Amino acid sequence: DSGVTQTPKHLITATGQRVTLRCSPRSGDLSVYWYQQSLDQGLQFLIHYYNGEERAKGNILERFSAQQFPDLHSELNLSSLELGDSALYFCASSVEEGAPQYFGPGTRLTVL
Amino acid sequence: SQQGEEDPQALSIQEGENATMNCSYKTSINNLQWYRQNSGRGLVHLILIRSNEREKHSGRLRVTLDTSKKSSSLLITASRAADTASYFCATPFHTGGFKTIFGAGTRLFVKA
Repeated sequence: DSGVTQTPKHLITATGQRVTLRCSPRSGDLSVYWYQQSLDQGLQFLIHYYNGEERAKGNILERFSAQQFPDLHSELNLSSLELGDSALYFCASSVEEGAPQYFGPGTRLTVL
Repeated sequence: SQQGEEDPQALSIQEGENATMNCSYKTSINNLQWYRQNSGRGLVHLILIRSNEREKHSGRLRVTLDTSKKSSSLLITASRAADTASYFCATPFHTGGFKTIFGAGTRLFVKA
């Protein structure tokens, strides 16, 4: 158990819908990262927050947004969903930038 | 393109044999990290090597780093069936924010 929790574990929804994925980092970790993993794309870095502040963005679509709250949990919002958004979404946390990351179990999103 | 690229893409060996995976990256780094992922699960951090280190050991793992060639290798000695997983290198780097880029991974299969 990494200490990082993600909910929900599975999510099935339809195209055009909006979903919210939630992540709670390990106790004491200020950095939260979001990744998308699909079969043909590997692990894609989406966004990084540190202590509530956005620090870096990867290839995150405009339809996607994230935030980190004062209690350090984070949410990833995916809107106007498309079939191609079906993937595993991982959250990870670390004590500081560049340090080893601890991954949650992931949320498997299926868009039908 | 990806900051980290692993080679080979897949590797199949017998239990007891050694497994070597290679990683190449493109820009300057502070450290390089290796992770393991069992099918469909969150990544697990294995080992971190700093840019001023050339070799590091952890149990049956040996990591080397050649910053002049921008490459790293992960050696797993005396492999076990339980080592069957995908292995990724990751390079955190700072460019307009702090990003961690994962390679596409090497899928290791250890036959009992």
